[in-house]
Amino acid sequence: SYELAQPPSVSVSPGQTATITCSGDKLGDKSAAWYQQRPGRSPVLVIYQDTTRPSGIPERFSGSNSGNTATLTISGTQALDEADYYCQVWDSGTVVFGGGTKLTVL
Amino acid sequence: QVQLVQSGAEVKKPGASVKVSCKASGYTFTSYDINWVRQATGQGLEWMGWMDPNNGNTGYSQKFQGRLAMTRDTSASTASMELSSVTSEDTAVYFCARGNFLGATTLDSWGQGTLVIVSS
Repeated sequence: SYELAQPPSVSVSPGQTATITCSGDKLGDKSAAWYQQRPGRSPVLVIYQDTTRPSGIPERFSGSNSGNTATLTISGTQALDEADYYCQVWDSGTVVFGGGTKLTVL
Repeated sequence: QVQLVQSGAEVKKPGASVKVSCKASGYTFTSYDINWVRQATGQGLEWMGWMDPNNGNTGYSQKFQGRLAMTRDTSASTASMELSSVTSEDTAVYFCARGNFLGATTLDSWGQGTLVIVSS
């Protein structure tokens, strides 16, 4: 079965750029999505189709996907961006999630 | 606006079955798949399966084959997920999510989650 790997944690200072990676075999050939999950809340879609932001998601969220790595970038990180982030693809009829990355803003 | 409202928390004994419902509003229920995802405390997201409300077709994660059933009531715009023979390992928050084909299946709206506790 297909697997996605994410770093367990990433730290960033307020106002700086946070980068969260997601790795998988030939991931660039698939369409990647990213979800934000704040503590005690449901996940929220922040990026789909590798690079597209849904309506209402701030412009500071951006995505890319090439080779074996998809990347979520948060520019000008704010305290409210502190959350868990999950990448996701569709593979062989199943939804596959990465293990999640805890973003700490300190 | 799209809304998915789930049923309330459940406490079950080992070996029992649990059923969680998900009522959709703000869109045409039969036009989008419903997926179910669960999350144990402190753990990541685990996909369970999908259902097409238009025809009832389903696809389940191999992990849950044989003890997971997804159904729908189109007249009530409600999808349900029933997990049988539960154990303490099934204690988790269960989410329903709308599947939208945005390049590939993407979960663009989520329910509020339903806590299921399995305890003797």
